[in-house]
Amino acid sequence: DIQMTQSPSSLSASVGDRVTITCQASQDINNYLNWYQQKPGKAPKLLIYDASSLQTGVPSRFSGSGTGTDFTFTINSLQPEDIATYFCLQYDDVPYTFGQGTKLEIK
Amino acid sequence: EVQLVESGGGFVHPGGSLRLSCGASGFTFSSYEFNWVRQAPGKGLEWVSYISSTGTTIYYADSVRGRFTISRDNAKKSLYLQMNSLRVEDTAFYYCARAPFNLGDWGQGTLVTVSS
Repeated sequence: DIQMTQSPSSLSASVGDRVTITCQASQDINNYLNWYQQKPGKAPKLLIYDASSLQTGVPSRFSGSGTGTDFTFTINSLQPEDIATYFCLQYDDVPYTFGQGTKLEIK
Repeated sequence: EVQLVESGGGFVHPGGSLRLSCGASGFTFSSYEFNWVRQAPGKGLEWVSYISSTGTTIYYADSVRGRFTISRDNAKKSLYLQMNSLRVEDTAFYYCARAPFNLGDWGQGTLVTVSS
């Protein structure tokens, strides 16, 4: 099984800050890597697909990069509405696996 | 507009059974694959099962293999998850998601609670 190691598990930042979250796969996942935002009581919302493609309708302050096994998710200029938990997902091979999640809070 | 609506969740005792449904609209259901994903309250996400567009290819997570059965009815535009021999650790919100995951379509989830 492909293991996804996501860090950090929690993060506190100020409005306007740049925030970075990473996911490392235990093997090459051919860029089949998504980033999701989840708010309490809601289903996950896709922000970035295939490592670096911005989902339609998602603000451009969200971005993704990386290839092979190492991936980065960035929020440029953090906004109050970005408070949520963020997950990565590899869907290169079953069992599809998620990162452990990063809980983002405002300082 | 793509819509996925799960139903069938509820309370069940350990060893019991439930059948979840996911109704779809806004796209050609028979052309797409699907996944079930679950999330225990306050915990992370876990992929549960996958089914191809024709139902001929199916995968399960080790944690549910032999107890859960994924199926679909293309005429009814519905996806199903039959859950047998339920355990306390199966307590979770269950989401259906259109495949591949880069499409971004998930339902709102249905809660399954397994408790004595």
